[in-house]
Amino acid sequence: AQSVAQPEDQVNVAEGNPLTVKCTYSVSGNPYLFWYVQYPNRGLQFLLKYITGDNLVKGSYGFEAEFNKSQTSFHLKKPSALVSDSALYFCAVRDNQGAGKLIFGQGTTLQVKP
Amino acid sequence: SAVISQKPSRDICQRGTSLTIQCQVDSQVTMMFWYRQQPGQSLTLIATANQGSEATYESGFVIDKFPISRPNLTFSTLTVSNMSPEDSSIYLCSVESDGSGNTIYFGEGSWLTVV
Repeated sequence: AQSVAQPEDQVNVAEGNPLTVKCTYSVSGNPYLFWYVQYPNRGLQFLLKYITGDNLVKGSYGFEAEFNKSQTSFHLKKPSALVSDSALYFCAVRDNQGAGKLIFGQGTTLQVKP
Repeated sequence: SAVISQKPSRDICQRGTSLTIQCQVDSQVTMMFWYRQQPGQSLTLIATANQGSEATYESGFVIDKFPISRPNLTFSTLTVSNMSPEDSSIYLCSVESDGSGNTIYFGEGSWLTVV
């Protein structure tokens, strides 16, 4: 069965420090991986995706993610966190059984403190 | 990219009533998806809506409770029927924008509270 795991319910980081939000996946075949952010009282905003190609993917708001096939991971990173990055982050994998369907991790709350 | 508009954005509903949520996309898309996000939870797919055919429901979701329409390639509705407090959730519409390289976009969500 396909699945996504975000092992941390919450990540705390000081403003200006690098941040990492972890994601591991389990799929058959080649994965299509996504990161989304949800700000309070808002829907999901697309950050970045990995389909194929370079393992380091750059996305919106200075975020990037590194695809690691051997570790089945797709961790979200940012070199210097901002207070405004505080939000709920979801990792997702495209379901191989149906185009456009996503399987989500449980979400990680990022708290950036001044 | 795709711009997705949902209505209503937020509503408070009485137990036992039904509410229809609308999803409008600014471009034609083959498939549209409806997700539910219960309070403090992740997203769960309710169903896939294709134009011209009945929606395909995921395990645990049934057409009588969540009827879906897809009259054209830019519009879909989800009805939450005979609501109970357990239906209090965010309902999100999603599309895989044709030509966007498999990027999947979401609307802002419809926040329903059932009292």
